[in-house]
Amino acid sequence: GNSVTQMEGPVTLSEEAFLTINCTYTATGYPSLFWYVQYPGEGLQLLLKATKADDKGSNKGFEATYRKETTSFHLEKGSVQVSDSAVYFCALRPGSARQLTFGSGTQLTVLP
Amino acid sequence: DAGVIQSPRHEVTEMGQEVTLRCKPISGHNSLFWYRQTMMRGLELLIYFNNNVPIDDSGMPEDRFSAKMPNASFSTLKIQPSEPRDSAVYFCASSQEQGYGYTFGSGTRLTVV
Repeated sequence: GNSVTQMEGPVTLSEEAFLTINCTYTATGYPSLFWYVQYPGEGLQLLLKATKADDKGSNKGFEATYRKETTSFHLEKGSVQVSDSAVYFCALRPGSARQLTFGSGTQLTVLP
Repeated sequence: DAGVIQSPRHEVTEMGQEVTLRCKPISGHNSLFWYRQTMMRGLELLIYFNNNVPIDDSGMPEDRFSAKMPNASFSTLKIQPSEPRDSAVYFCASSQEQGYGYTFGSGTRLTVV
């Protein structure tokens, strides 16, 4: 079956620190991979995506590379800001499916 | 585009009452999804529609839950009768072709007392 495993939170960092949130997946076929962000009281927003191996998704200083050999899609940012405090979800969409499978989410808190 | 629109934003109801949540997807999106989010269980897919037809409702918790999509621009999720354990945030999302992610609505926070 399809599944996504994220590193457990919560994660607390100081402003300007380097961020990594690990994500690994199990899927049939060749999935598309996504990172979503959820700010307090809001719905999930698409942060970035990658649709094939070795693709790098990027947005707002965040990056993630689709690694087929390690079945991973780790989220990184070189210098986090207080405004990045949110819950981050990794997700996959198998090539033949319409629905997304989400990880459990990682709470990030950035302190000034 | 106004995005995915959900109503109401907040709903407080008494146990045993009927609750109806509404969703308007993005125009041109042919798939619609209902999710439930709780602290204990995270994000759970309840049901999804493709071209207004229910495709997979295996996530619907029990017969008290029902969902309809009478046309491409409107869907409802109904709980009858509601119970306190139904308290959660319910999200609607829509999507276009495969390979794309979803666009989520802002959610409906349901509290059953």
